[in-house]
Parts: sequence; structure tokens; C-alpha cells
Amino acid sequence: QVQLVQSGAEVKKPGSSVKVSCKASGGTFSSYAISWVRQAPGQGLEWMGGIIPIFGTANYAQKFQGRVTITADESTSTAYMELSSLRSEDTAVYYCARDSWGGYDLLLLGDFDYWGQGTLVTVSS
Amino acid sequence: DVVMTQSPLSLPVTLGQPASISCRSSQSLVYSDGNTYLNWFQQRPGQSPRRLIYKVSNRDSGVPDRFSGSGSGTDFTLKISRVEAEDVGVYYCMQGTHSITFGQGTRLEIK
Repeated sequence: QVQLVQSGAEVKKPGSSVKVSCKASGGTFSSYAISWVRQAPGQGLEWMGGIIPIFGTANYAQKFQGRVTITADESTSTAYMELSSLRSEDTAVYYCARDSWGGYDLLLLGDFDYWGQGTLVTVSS
Repeated sequence: DVVMTQSPLSLPVTLGQPASISCRSSQSLVYSDGNTYLNWFQQRPGQSPRRLIYKVSNRDSGVPDRFSGSGSGTDFTLKISRVEAEDVGVYYCMQGTHSITFGQGTRLEIK
């Protein structure tokens, strides 16, 4: 049984950055990918990007390209999502989820069979 | 981006009655490996999303058999045979064939 435990809530100023962690236990970290999905207050789910730790390759949604960096540390089975140039519209709950990949181009497939508990990031001056 | 369109967006249902949610994609979701990466998620109030159905019609472990998924190509459906109180929440379809995108969500409530 895979468990994903995320870091705690954050309050950030506009223009700053936030880094959220997602620590995995159970299963084999190197055998799966981790994706990040966010949910603004009262809104739907939005995929931001993900990483395949064993290859160190990250895919990002076009909307977040250049502003999000997803990394992973295999030694601690932890994935990270860093979002920069924060604005009020980035206020949301950020989730990590287990993912898988396919094809020679290592595209993420949106498996999402296990989710973290979510991390609320509030951007406010 | 592939657009996922769900209907209805709001679904009031009487306890014990069936419910159905439609999800349409702007492109075929058949992947190069022959699979169709269309999943359904349930999000209860205040909780993380939970996957119910993967690859169109495969029910996840622990998901009641009153939930079923069907469809192909661009048209997909999630059905609940008899709605129970614990089914209240928002349901999302999601495709993973062409990058990853979610539908807008369908809010199921008890009438």
C-alpha cells in the first residue's frame, strides 16, 4: 500500500516561490512517477506536471512551463514541486499523486491511484 | 490541449435511484499502445480525490460494484446503479492519452 505524505500549509507573498514535498512509502519509488495536481478554492482539478524519478525526467503542463520545477530524491523517496513568481491566483490546494508513464517519450499517463493529503498554499500580501 | 466536457455539471439524485455522468473528449483517447487512458475520480467534501475507474471500465479495488464505466473513442460514461448517501461529492473524468486534462467536474447531491 503506497502512502504519500505532503508537507504542511504555506503562506507566501506575491512574487515569491514555494516548494512542496511529497514523501512516498510502500511500493518501490523507482518503479513509478509522481504527478502534481492543484485545485483552486471551489474549482476543479488541474494537472501541473510530473516526474519519473528513475529517469529524472519531468513533464510539465504548458500553462506552467517556466514557472514550475518538479524534482525527486530517490534516496528519501521524496518528490518536490516548486512554483515561482507566485500570484494570488496560485492560492490552491496542491496534491501529489502516483503516476505511470508510457512510450519511448516517457509521457505521463495520469494513473493517479494514490494521492497525498494535499497542501494549502495561500498567496497573499 | 484535449478538452474534456462533462455533463451535467450538477446532478441531484434521489437515494436509491441511478445516476449517469457523460464525459466527451475533443479527440480520440486511444493511445498508441491500444489502451484508452480515461479515468474517473470521486472527490468527497474536504477529501483528496479518489480514483474509481481506470482505463474506461476497470473498477479500482474497494470501489462498490454499483459504479461502472463505459465508452470508447471520445464518449464515456460513469454510472451509479443506486445512489447512496456516501456518493455525494464531485466526479471528474480525466484523460491521460494526450498530456493530462480533467473534466470540469459534476457535483452529485441528494435530492
